[in-house]
Amino acid sequence: DIQMTQSPSTLSASVGDRVTITCRASQSISSWLAWYQQKPGKAPKLLIYKASSLESGVPSRFSGSGSGTEFTLTISSLQPDDFATYYCQQYNSLWTFGQGTKVEIK
Amino acid sequence: EVQLVESGGGLVQPGGSLRLTCAASGFTFSSYEMCWVRQAPGKGLEWVSYINSVGSNTHYADSVKGRFTISRDNAKNSLYLQMNSLRVEDTAAYFCARWAQRDAFLLWGQGTVVTVSS
Repeated sequence: DIQMTQSPSTLSASVGDRVTITCRASQSISSWLAWYQQKPGKAPKLLIYKASSLESGVPSRFSGSGSGTEFTLTISSLQPDDFATYYCQQYNSLWTFGQGTKVEIK
Repeated sequence: EVQLVESGGGLVQPGGSLRLTCAASGFTFSSYEMCWVRQAPGKGLEWVSYINSVGSNTHYADSVKGRFTISRDNAKNSLYLQMNSLRVEDTAAYFCARWAQRDAFLLWGQGTVVTVSS
């Protein structure tokens, strides 16, 4: 089974900050990685697929990069609506989510 | 409107059974692979099960293998999850999600809550 490890688990940041979340896979997953945003009581929302492809309608301040085993999600300038929990997910072999990164207000 | 709507959650005793339903609308359900994903209270997301577009191929997480069965009825635009031998640790919100390799889990339902408790 492929394990996904996100860091950090919690991130405190201010509006306007540049934020980076890292996701590591236990083995190579090529570019088969997605990023989701989830707010309390809501379903996850797809942000990025295939490691770096921005889903339609998602603000361009979100970007993804990486391949193989190391990936990053970057928010270039954090906005009030971005305080949420973020999950990476591999789909190279079945599906596995990272444990999540909660972005909190500093 | 393109949407998925789950139903069937509730309170059940350990060892009991429950059947979840996911009703799809606004898109050609029979063309898509589908999954169930769950989230225990205060915890992260866990993939549970997968079914291909015609229902001939399924996969399960080790945590539910042998206890849960995924199925679909394309004529009714519906996805199901039959959950047997339920355990306390199966307590979670259960989401159905549309799968496509070109755009991952783009479409999700709102979730239905399953509570396993005596």
